[in-house]
This record gives sequence, C-alpha cells and structure tokens, in this order.
Amino acid sequence: EPEVTQTPSHQVTQMGQEVILRCVPISNHLYFYWYRQILGQKVEFLVSFYNNEISEKSEIFDDQFSVERPDGSNFTLKIRSTKLEDSAMYFCASSVGLYTEAFFGQGTRLTVV
Amino acid sequence: AQSVTQLGSHVSVSEGALVLLRCNYSSSVPPYLFWYVQYPNQGLQLLLKYTTGATLVKGINGFEAEFKKSETSFHLTKPSAHMSDAAEYFCAVSDPRAAGNKLTFGGGTRVLVKP
Repeated sequence: EPEVTQTPSHQVTQMGQEVILRCVPISNHLYFYWYRQILGQKVEFLVSFYNNEISEKSEIFDDQFSVERPDGSNFTLKIRSTKLEDSAMYFCASSVGLYTEAFFGQGTRLTVV
Repeated sequence: AQSVTQLGSHVSVSEGALVLLRCNYSSSVPPYLFWYVQYPNQGLQLLLKYTTGATLVKGINGFEAEFKKSETSFHLTKPSAHMSDAAEYFCAVSDPRAAGNKLTFGGGTRVLVKP
C-alpha cells in the first residue's frame, strides 16, 4: 500500500542550526502539507503546497521556515535557525486532490538542544 | 477561524463496551469533518469523514460518526471495543472554501481498552 515516508524518524540539532526534514509523498499525489505537534499540544497546520508554490500557511510558518519540492519526489521542510520551541513532532502529508483524504507520514521528532 | 474541542483527553473502556468519543467544533461555514486515529509510532490514519449528504458516516474498523449541525458536534462511536482500538483519536475540521485544505485538529483523546 502506498505510504508517505519521512526521514529521519528522530533528529537532534543544536539551537541556531539549520535543519531539513524530508518527506516522500505518495507518487500520484499533488497536494503536500506539513503539520507539527509540540509535546502535549494539538497537531497544528504549518503549510500546504501545490503546483510548486505555497497555497496556504499558518502564522507559525514565518521566515524561518521554507518548503521545497526539489526533484519531483521529495518534499522538504527547512528551518533556518532552530529554536528550542521548534522541538516537536513534524508530520508530512499528501493528498490526490484538494478535498480528498490526506495521508500522513509517521513523523519526524525534532529535538532542539 | 475554526476550532475543535474534544471532551476528555483520556477514555478507558472495557473490551466489548461502547466507545464514545466526543467532538465539538466551531466554524463560520459548514465545515468538512474528520476523525483520524494514531497508533503508537505511526502516522495519522483517516477513520472517516463527512463532507455533504448523509449525516451518519461509517468508517473503517467499525467506527461511525454523526454530524449534528444544531449541536455543532461530530461524535465518534463504536458499538463494541476491541483491544486493537487502543490508540489516540483526533477530530479535525476543514473549511471547504479554503485554498489550502488545512485541517484544524482537536487535542486528541487517548483510548485505553481494558480486557
């Protein structure tokens, strides 16, 4: 069964460092998303991406964040200068169409120390 | 803005008993509604969704949910709990008018099933 895969499953980084979280969406999907869940809090929407551009982003998704689909198969989330409060589980998701089911990856746990 | 409230962060049920997970939402427009399940060390998996039409929707693993507009609710039920239902369950809403298909999640309810 097709699935969204995320790497790495756990990443530890020092405060101020850049980090790139990687995702391989399902191959025929056209819409891509990033969500995050800080420990003990709700899953929060970060950004949606379609046709090589951001279609919607949340207030959380500031200039420190960027997304890219560099090669037609990967979808990445970059955090330029990590802060302690960026520590969270980051989920990638993809969907075929705009209002179709979003399939989620297993998540990358980011720990900023 | 949309919001979702799930009553009870933890629910304990006996195997074979009814599972009832409560979800209330706030939305300025008729939303699309979803229930997702997360098993340990796995991603979020869609259980069921309501977009339009019949207000009682059936999902995978014997779960169903009923959209009640007057109560702004979308409670999830399963008649008979199984040990494999132990997981965390998330209710979510989206705005059909929005360009980005953003999901707004509730806080989640962790279900424990007792033998």
